[in-house]
Amino acid sequence: GENVEQHPSTLSVQEGDSAVIKCTYSDSASNYFPWYKQELGKGPQLIIDIRSNVGEKKDQRIAVTLNKTAKHFSLHITETQPEDSAVYFCAASRGTNAGKSTFGDGTTLTVKP
Amino acid sequence: DGGITQSPKYLFRKEGQNVTLSCEQNLNHDAMYWYRQDPGQGLRLIYYSQIVNDFQKGDIAEGYSVSREKKESFPLTVTSAQKNPTAFYLCASSIANGVKTGELFFGEGSRLTVL
Repeated sequence: GENVEQHPSTLSVQEGDSAVIKCTYSDSASNYFPWYKQELGKGPQLIIDIRSNVGEKKDQRIAVTLNKTAKHFSLHITETQPEDSAVYFCAASRGTNAGKSTFGDGTTLTVKP
Repeated sequence: DGGITQSPKYLFRKEGQNVTLSCEQNLNHDAMYWYRQDPGQGLRLIYYSQIVNDFQKGDIAEGYSVSREKKESFPLTVTSAQKNPTAFYLCASSIANGVKTGELFFGEGSRLTVL
């Protein structure tokens, strides 16, 4: 089955700096790669996703890049703000069932004011 | 507003008792899921259902049971057979059109503690 590894497990940055979180996956048939943000005591919320037919996607301060050959994808957050502090999860899935995604173990991002 | 409602938010249980966690959605999604989240770990799939009256085991289904009698509802029962039930449980739903994967919408979770 699919295996997703996420690094780093914790990340601390100064407000205004950039943050990068990386994930690798093992199943070359995976074709959907979402990123979720989870605030304390709440459920995860999708912040950006990418499908295997594109290499990069951007939404304001957030971007995701995908390297299918190397089987890795990354989340980039620029101009970080304290409200970006949360746990971020990457995931990978194939076929037509997003709910069967395999999730990474999460990265706790802390943005210091 | 549309969304997913989980209840209760916190639940305490004695060993040997079954408990049922509620999940209701008004998003008109066909697919619903239950995940378990443990500290420092990703989400692990317990059960999922892509259509009413049908559900499938996920990666860690042992000790759990579900039902899907209505499109809006997907309750999870944590049975006494679950060896380590203390965890944060998340319910989610998504469009399941059989063509493309899509966003998961999560509830706010239920924290179960076994005393």
